[in-house]
Amino acid sequence: DQQVKQNSPSLSVQEGRISILNCDYTNSMFDYFLWYKKYPAEGPTFLISISSIKDKNEDGRFTVFLNKSAKHLSLHIVPSQPGDSAVYFCAASDFKTSGTYKYIFGTGTRLKVLA
Amino acid sequence: KAGVTQTPRYLIKTRGQQVTLSCSPISGHRSVSWYQQTPGQGLQFLFEYFSETQRNKGNFPGRFSGRQFSNSRSEMNVSTLELGDSALYLCASSQGQGSYNEQFFGPGTRLTVL
Repeated sequence: DQQVKQNSPSLSVQEGRISILNCDYTNSMFDYFLWYKKYPAEGPTFLISISSIKDKNEDGRFTVFLNKSAKHLSLHIVPSQPGDSAVYFCAASDFKTSGTYKYIFGTGTRLKVLA
Repeated sequence: KAGVTQTPRYLIKTRGQQVTLSCSPISGHRSVSWYQQTPGQGLQFLFEYFSETQRNKGNFPGRFSGRQFSNSRSEMNVSTLELGDSALYLCASSQGQGSYNEQFFGPGTRLTVL
């Protein structure tokens, strides 16, 4: 049972335009969400996070939006740059209810930013 | 501050053998989690250790085990290797207590089972 889903395995965007990566989850107890970026032969790098008490968090070119009623979050990258080309994973945890730090990851979306 | 380190980076084993992977967390981090990454499956949670105790375990067979030492370093062991165990094994560390924690990943160990 995939509790965190990234339904688009890949996405291509022109440099300078907006990239929107989507993530859906099924567990309503999830209260903390993160996005990671992964380059080949490297471990994932933390990008941005959001707790369930917020609906938006912004950090430079990266903004994460959370829609709790739809159990959906998205990562916006504006403007997209060729160096953003990587695999992006969303992850979720139910820290407040479980008290633990088990993270459930999606299967990833490969973003390609075209110069 | 040094990041998460994992050794070895690459490993080739044959079916039936066992393997031990090592992870050194970021200094001051007490939680270490292990993940298996295979194509199309994303990162599958294996287990999490905090203060030498396993706090969480994913849905993997008993051939997968781990431990954590008093200095927070962690090892993961896979016994009786199968072809399907070929994967990238990632270790992540976090402070492990308090409120929400980000996890910081190491570069991974690429295990190939022949």
